[in-house]
Amino acid sequence: QKEVEQNSGPLSVPEGAIASLNCTYSDRGSQSFFWYRQYSGKSPELIMSIYSNGDKEDGRFTAQLNKASQYVSLLIRDSQPSDSATYLCAVNPGTGNQFYFGTGTSLTVIP
Amino acid sequence: GAGVSQSPRYKVAKRGQDVALRCDPISGHVSLFWYQQALGQGPEFLTYFQNEAQLDKSGLPSDRFFAERPEGSVSTLKIQRTQQEDSAVYLCASSLVATGTSGGRDTQYFGPGTRLTVL
Repeated sequence: QKEVEQNSGPLSVPEGAIASLNCTYSDRGSQSFFWYRQYSGKSPELIMSIYSNGDKEDGRFTAQLNKASQYVSLLIRDSQPSDSATYLCAVNPGTGNQFYFGTGTSLTVIP
Repeated sequence: GAGVSQSPRYKVAKRGQDVALRCDPISGHVSLFWYQQALGQGPEFLTYFQNEAQLDKSGLPSDRFFAERPEGSVSTLKIQRTQQEDSAVYLCASSLVATGTSGGRDTQYFGPGTRLTVL
């Protein structure tokens, strides 16, 4: 079992809809959780970080964390074609020296 | 301003050649990470530096891979006798604090990456 699991997609949503991206992790003691956006041929760009259970909103983006169920999600409201990218979930387990990344979910927003 | 920079952006090497990839982290960042990203995959950890100390090299795939950060800022990832399976994007990331420190300051910021192609 990988440390971080994501549905690779592709996920397609129409412009203006809500895109929902999900991620589960295996280390129950994990401390910090991140969503990165990666456009094709580019490096990962931080979208959101979340550290506590519940929701965290930033503009059109909402991250949700449920430590008991070991999942973290990202909601994108009013999806735009420019949101089309691969979204990477990353987890800091709080021990050791590395973050663990999922394989990413490919999102396409259809105009 | 600066973000994390990497050079070269693209590198083509013949099998058996040595390559050196450079990373300039954000000024003042304590932690520096190297990752390898294959097509369609997430970044895979290679090695970690806290200032000049290489505290973790558990992800380096073989002894042909070597990394250094002698003055605690710029880092170089060297790959000796490159093989075709080394072809990937090599990403460098830095963060403000040492690993194990959180409080919301452990975000990693990525450079643009170096795309290595071994022929």
